[in-house]
Amino acid sequence: NAGVTQTPKFQVLKTGQSMTLQCAQDMNHNSMYWYRQDPGMGLRLIYYSASEGTTDKGEVPNGYNVSRLNKREFSLRLESAAPSQTSVYFCASSLRGTSGSYSSYNEQFFGPGTRLTVL
Amino acid sequence: AQSVTQLGSHVSVSEGALVLLRCNYSSSVPPYLFWYVQYPNQGLQLLLKYTTGATLVKGINGFEAEFKKSETSFHLTKPSAHMSDAAEYFCASGGSYIPTFGRGTSLIVHP
Repeated sequence: NAGVTQTPKFQVLKTGQSMTLQCAQDMNHNSMYWYRQDPGMGLRLIYYSASEGTTDKGEVPNGYNVSRLNKREFSLRLESAAPSQTSVYFCASSLRGTSGSYSSYNEQFFGPGTRLTVL
Repeated sequence: AQSVTQLGSHVSVSEGALVLLRCNYSSSVPPYLFWYVQYPNQGLQLLLKYTTGATLVKGINGFEAEFKKSETSFHLTKPSAHMSDAAEYFCASGGSYIPTFGRGTSLIVHP
């Protein structure tokens, strides 16, 4: 099993350009997440998808859109990149889904990250 | 709402010394608690987790954590630090769709 994979690993954009970060998991997980990590800020949730066909905003959704293409894939799109979006982006997945009870803990599995620089 | 507080953004120890990374949580319901480790230029990986049962939890690489409900704490310890333990450590609380992460503690290990 590859676990959670992300492409690309590195990307440099100019202000105003667009791009899509790809994420896929092969663990048959229900929930998927996009985080950004900035120095001193920890992990901040951008968007998440509790199940195929649903997406919800997290803490910092502005400037981003997501698509849960199928159960395996969850993409993050920057329509018009800004320097403030320079960050390391992580995708994660967990087994927890909409049919889970509260007793289902939410262990997450993370991808290796995408380092994005916006000039 | 759940919250997780990690005390100290940086912890520095000598090789062979005790490692203690502090985590406190607040939750209105019994929490599920996790410690993740992030090595340089990598994603996070699970170190250990507490769900139910035994309050002393053992993880990978010799780490362990004790769930103390009375103190709302879940501190991470390792008896003897290795150079390879240098990394960022995150405490997290689960149980809902959106886990709550602490801001992380950077462990620095001196020779």
